[in-house]
Amino acid sequence: EVQLVESGGDLVQPGGSLRLSCAASGFTFSTYGMNWVRQTPGKGLEWVSYISSRSSTIYYADSVKGRFTISRDNAKNSLYLQMSSLRAEDTAVYFCARDRGVRVGGILFDYWGQGTLVTVSS
Amino acid sequence: DIQMTQSPSTLSASVGDRVTITCRASQSISTWLAWYQQKPGKAPKLLIYDASSLESGVPSRFTGSGSGTEFTLTISSLQPDDFATYCCQQYNSYSWTFGQGTKVEIK
Repeated sequence: EVQLVESGGDLVQPGGSLRLSCAASGFTFSTYGMNWVRQTPGKGLEWVSYISSRSSTIYYADSVKGRFTISRDNAKNSLYLQMSSLRAEDTAVYFCARDRGVRVGGILFDYWGQGTLVTVSS
Repeated sequence: DIQMTQSPSTLSASVGDRVTITCRASQSISTWLAWYQQKPGKAPKLLIYDASSLESGVPSRFTGSGSGTEFTLTISSLQPDDFATYCCQQYNSYSWTFGQGTKVEIK
């Protein structure tokens, strides 16, 4: 059974930093691209970042480019999101999601974790 | 970026009703469209991909159709477990955008 478990969400002050983790199990992690997707009540679901299976290709949403860094450790079956210069508008539930890999340039999210809450507030 | 617009935002229906949700893309995405179901406090669940392909394990009362810029998700006979929020997503190109969601609530 595919399982994705996020951790690391917290309350952080504007301008602060936070690192999210996602532990994967139930599939061969090293063969799938992975993503972070966030959700807010007002804006709904928003894709944040993608990393390919061997970390050779990385994409970011414009809203987080230059502030967030995605990475993975295939030996530990883990995905990470390093967030810095956090803003109030980064407040959201952050999901880890697997890319099915159906096509080059297209990301289909076939399995999701339960999410971890990040709150940016003073 | 491609914008995805869903309608309606909220839908009130009864068990047994036929329900249709529409998703429109701001430019053609061929059939690179997925539908997800989400319940409060839970992760989204993939229902439909490639606009009309049913994900394994998803009941056959869910059907998807469309191509280009206009797509629909139909639930043929609404069941109690189907009261949830439904969201479309395009995977044609960056930045793999979602619709704002349609909440299906009990009438």
